[in-house]
Amino acid sequence: QKEVEQNSGPLSVPEGAIASLNCTYSDRVSQSFFWYRQYSGKSPELIMSIYSNGDKEDGRFTAQLNKASQYVSLLIRDSQPSDSATYLCAVILPGGFKTIFGAGTRLFVKA
Amino acid sequence: DTGVSQDPRHKITKRGQNVTFRCDPISEHNRLYWYRQTLGQGPEFLTYFQNEAQLEKSRLLSDRFSAERPKGSFSTLEIQRTEQGDSAMYLCASSLFSGGLTGELFFGEGSRLTVL
Repeated sequence: QKEVEQNSGPLSVPEGAIASLNCTYSDRVSQSFFWYRQYSGKSPELIMSIYSNGDKEDGRFTAQLNKASQYVSLLIRDSQPSDSATYLCAVILPGGFKTIFGAGTRLFVKA
Repeated sequence: DTGVSQDPRHKITKRGQNVTFRCDPISEHNRLYWYRQTLGQGPEFLTYFQNEAQLEKSRLLSDRFSAERPKGSFSTLEIQRTEQGDSAMYLCASSLFSGGLTGELFFGEGSRLTVL
């Protein structure tokens, strides 16, 4: 079992819709979770971090964490074509040193 | 510019040659990471430093890979006797750890290696 798993997609949504991206992780003791966005040919950039169960909102982005289910999600409201990118879920393993990434989900927002 | 910088941005080499990449992290960051990324995959952890100490190295790395971070500042990643399978984007990232649940990574633009 991979440490961080994501549906590779592609996920295609129309402009203005809500995009929902999902991630599961294997180590129950993990405590720090992140979403990074990576445009084609560019390096990853952090868009959200979440450490506690529940929702965390930042503008059009909402991260959701459910530690009991070992599940992290990212919602993008009012999706824009500029949101088209690969979204990487990342988890810091117990010990607090190593960040492990999922393979990423490709998102396409159609104008 | 106070972001993470990497050099060179692109490197083309012949199989069997040695290559070295350099990373200059954000100056106040005490953690530095190297990742490798191939097309369609997420970044794969290679190694990690806290200040000048290399605290972990991926079991996936062969002995041909070595990394250093002298004086806890810039870091170098050397690949000896390159193989075609080493072709990838090598990403450097830094972070500031000051206790607690932190660990956001700031990435450089990457060094793309092509082994012919």
